[in-house]
Amino acid sequence: KNEVEQSPQNLTAQEGEFITINCSYSVGISALHWLQQHPGGGIVSLFMLSSGKKKHGRLIATINIQEKHSSLHITASHPRDSAVYICAVRSWRAGGGADGLTFGKGTHLIIQP
Amino acid sequence: NAGVTQTPKFQVLKTGQSMTLQCAQDMNHEYMSWYRQDPGMGLRLIHYSVGAGITDQGEVPNGYNVSRSTTEDFPLRLLSAAPSQTSVYFCASRTGRWDNQPQHFGDGTRLSIL
Repeated sequence: KNEVEQSPQNLTAQEGEFITINCSYSVGISALHWLQQHPGGGIVSLFMLSSGKKKHGRLIATINIQEKHSSLHITASHPRDSAVYICAVRSWRAGGGADGLTFGKGTHLIIQP
Repeated sequence: NAGVTQTPKFQVLKTGQSMTLQCAQDMNHEYMSWYRQDPGMGLRLIHYSVGAGITDQGEVPNGYNVSRSTTEDFPLRLLSAAPSQTSVYFCASRTGRWDNQPQHFGDGTRLSIL
């Protein structure tokens, strides 16, 4: 069974700080997703990656397939970045008919002004 | 741009009652899924569909039924509600049979079973 572990579980930082959230998984994957869940509950897809690095605005996601590890970075953090960040993976074991993503428990991020 | 629409947003039921959570998407996505989110746990897959007329069970399907008569709609039915089904339910959709497309989520339905 593919386990997805995120760290830290909770993170409080000051505005402007560089933020790193980590995700580790236990089996080979075809893709890794980073999601953002706002305090109101909605979930938004931030990144989907299978190798290397992606950047969107102040957000950067990296993945190391050999080490089974991904990181989400936020530069120049802002209070509006406060949310739960969720890592999810799709393992190679899931066939074409299965849409089984395995989700981490999430990292609760608070950015204080 | 409606995206994925879930109704209702909140619902309180008594044990044994039945209800249907509605999910509709206007993006012509083939894949649709239902997840539940519980405190201290990651999202878990309940049921999913890869197209109209095709559904399959996920990780936690017991107590739930689904059907997919159209591409747009994917309702989730609770046959006889139990307190263990108190949760936040999310519907999601994506296009294509390959995992190179992002998931689109609805805003969730908060369900309490008394």
